[in-house]
Amino acid sequence: DTGVSQNPRHKITKRGQNVTFRCDPISEHNRLYWYRQTLGQGPEFLTYFQNEAQLEKSRLLSDRFSAERPKGSFSTLEIQRTEQGDSAMYLCASSLASGTSGTDTQYFGPGTRLTVL
Amino acid sequence: GQQVMQIPQYQHVQEGEDFTTYCNSSTTLSNIQWYKQRPGGHPVFLIQLVKSGEVKKQKRLTFQFGEAKKNSSLHITATQTTDVGTYFCAGWSGSQGNLIFGKGTKLSVKP
Repeated sequence: DTGVSQNPRHKITKRGQNVTFRCDPISEHNRLYWYRQTLGQGPEFLTYFQNEAQLEKSRLLSDRFSAERPKGSFSTLEIQRTEQGDSAMYLCASSLASGTSGTDTQYFGPGTRLTVL
Repeated sequence: GQQVMQIPQYQHVQEGEDFTTYCNSSTTLSNIQWYKQRPGGHPVFLIQLVKSGEVKKQKRLTFQFGEAKKNSSLHITATQTTDVGTYFCAGWSGSQGNLIFGKGTKLSVKP
């Protein structure tokens, strides 16, 4: 399978714990995006990378969230001191830069469902 | 900030009936994309519209971009059970580096 993969698929944690998710994009894609989706809502943009550079971060993103893409391939999203409000599906998407990021076709992974107890 | 609104939130149709979802932006868009998310699945890209007044068709699906580039619609002719899912529009205004997604329209089709 050469699509976007995410691990783990499900994560249950207790409030206050740290969690880390991994995203492996389509191999030739140089842009990688993180979104959060809650029930009944569309994906909400969190941040995106072009190669290893983090080019944009949502103003809504708490300081407890940090993302990295150290070698321009896979990416990790860490949430520190999780809160119940962090419970959501975390989606990763990748694209091959064709101009500005807003015009790329984004390919989404299956997501990591986080439940904070 | 930019907002993208979709109506209706839910639509229940009998198989064979037509379906339309509408997307409206608070600002002029550079482009709009449509995605479909099946139950339990992830968003899958359907199409991108860029030009004012653009109309594109994919089999039974017709996508339109308004003349003012602030609204768009997706019309499905003669729905089938395979059309079930949530349809999202996502717009980019050009002033920020990311797509803004609407809340989606959830389509259910009764056989």
